[in-house]
Amino acid sequence: NAGVMQNPRHLVRRRGQEARLRCSPMKGHSHVYWYRQLPEEGLKFMVYLQKENIIDESGMPKERFSAEFPKEGPSILRIQQVVRGDSAAYFCASSSDRGSGNTIYFGEGSWLTVV
Amino acid sequence: AQKVTQAQTEISVVEKEDVTLDCVYETRDTTYYLFWYKQPPSGELVFLIRRNSFDEQNEISGRYSWNFQKSTSSFNFTITASQVVDSAVYFCALMAYSGAGSYQLTFGKGTKLSVIP
Repeated sequence: NAGVMQNPRHLVRRRGQEARLRCSPMKGHSHVYWYRQLPEEGLKFMVYLQKENIIDESGMPKERFSAEFPKEGPSILRIQQVVRGDSAAYFCASSSDRGSGNTIYFGEGSWLTVV
Repeated sequence: AQKVTQAQTEISVVEKEDVTLDCVYETRDTTYYLFWYKQPPSGELVFLIRRNSFDEQNEISGRYSWNFQKSTSSFNFTITASQVVDSAVYFCALMAYSGAGSYQLTFGKGTKLSVIP
């Protein structure tokens, strides 16, 4: 499967724990995006990364959320001290270029439930 | 700022009927891209189509067709002879420069399509 791979598909965390979501972009893609789908709110941009660089994090909450895309390995979206309001589907997407005119392909999503 | 409006929250049709999903967008950019994605009950987001702002040609792919009208800022999606497998939430999205160093997708809230056998 050469598509965008996300894991885990489903994750349950207690309030105060940490959640780590992983994303391997499509083969040949070096641009990664994270989007969040909250109930009743639709999909919202969180962050855009290239290898080892955060390019645009204008959609990331200022606290508890961080993202990285190391030189080797998948991109990680990390949520510290999770709260119930973090329960959502988190989608990773990738593109072969900066996004301008390039198709952005999404993974299957990671569903986080905070109990 | 970019905005995408999908006024139809839910639509139900009987199998084999045609259905059109509306999408209206707002942007000040002259160069932008429009997308449609499908989210079936299993949850993944499936890419359907991308159009750029300079190409107003309509597109047909099997039972799917898209009508892009720049004059009305609309990018509507029609499914002909709908099937039960078309049941999903459909998202229209606009890609334009965010001003913060990247091109971002702005999504509409989606239209939930139910095709009844």
